[in-house]
Amino acid sequence: EDQVTQSPEALRLQEGESSSLNCSYTVSGLRGLFWYRQDPGKGPEFLFTLYSAGEEKEKERLKATLTKKESFLHITAPKPEDSATYLCAVLGGSTLGRLYFGRGTQLTVWP
Amino acid sequence: NAGVTQTPKFRVLKTGQSMTLLCAQDMNHEYMYWYRQDPGMGLRLIHYSVGEGTTAKGEVPDGYNVSRLKKQNFLLGLESAAPSQTSVYFCASNNEEGRSHYEQYFGPGTRLTVT
Repeated sequence: EDQVTQSPEALRLQEGESSSLNCSYTVSGLRGLFWYRQDPGKGPEFLFTLYSAGEEKEKERLKATLTKKESFLHITAPKPEDSATYLCAVLGGSTLGRLYFGRGTQLTVWP
Repeated sequence: NAGVTQTPKFRVLKTGQSMTLLCAQDMNHEYMYWYRQDPGMGLRLIHYSVGEGTTAKGEVPDGYNVSRLKKQNFLLGLESAAPSQTSVYFCASNNEEGRSHYEQYFGPGTRLTVT
């Protein structure tokens, strides 16, 4: 069965303190790994799609990387406005259109 | 473009009552999805549709029904609400024609409480 595990569950960083969030997965025939940001009371907002091991994508202070077993979301010099829950999801080859989500990492950046 | 919209935003039901949640998208997407999000559980797929007139069961379909009569709308129905259906419900949509369209776009959610 396709599974996604995110760690840590919660992370508190001081402004400017860089760190990484982890998403490990087991899926048959990975078609894509997705990162979303979710603010309280809102729907998930799409950030990145990664398709194959070795791929990297960047957006402002965020950089997502992918290996054959896990993905990392690196946050460089975070700001308080980066505080949110970050969700990871995978799309496997065996289940049409079905994303499997991790439980998320709740990131808090304090000034 | 409004993207994905959901109505209502909030609702309180009594056990046994019925209701319908409406999802609409203006991006001409073929695929639409209903998820529920519960604390500590992550997002779980209830039902989905791969085109107008089609529906399919997801991970947690029991107690829910769906319909996709128009391409832009996807309705989620609760025939007899139970407290276990207290949750936040999200609708999402995408196309799957080519890699760049795999990502799903989410609505703002409906917060449902069943007492």
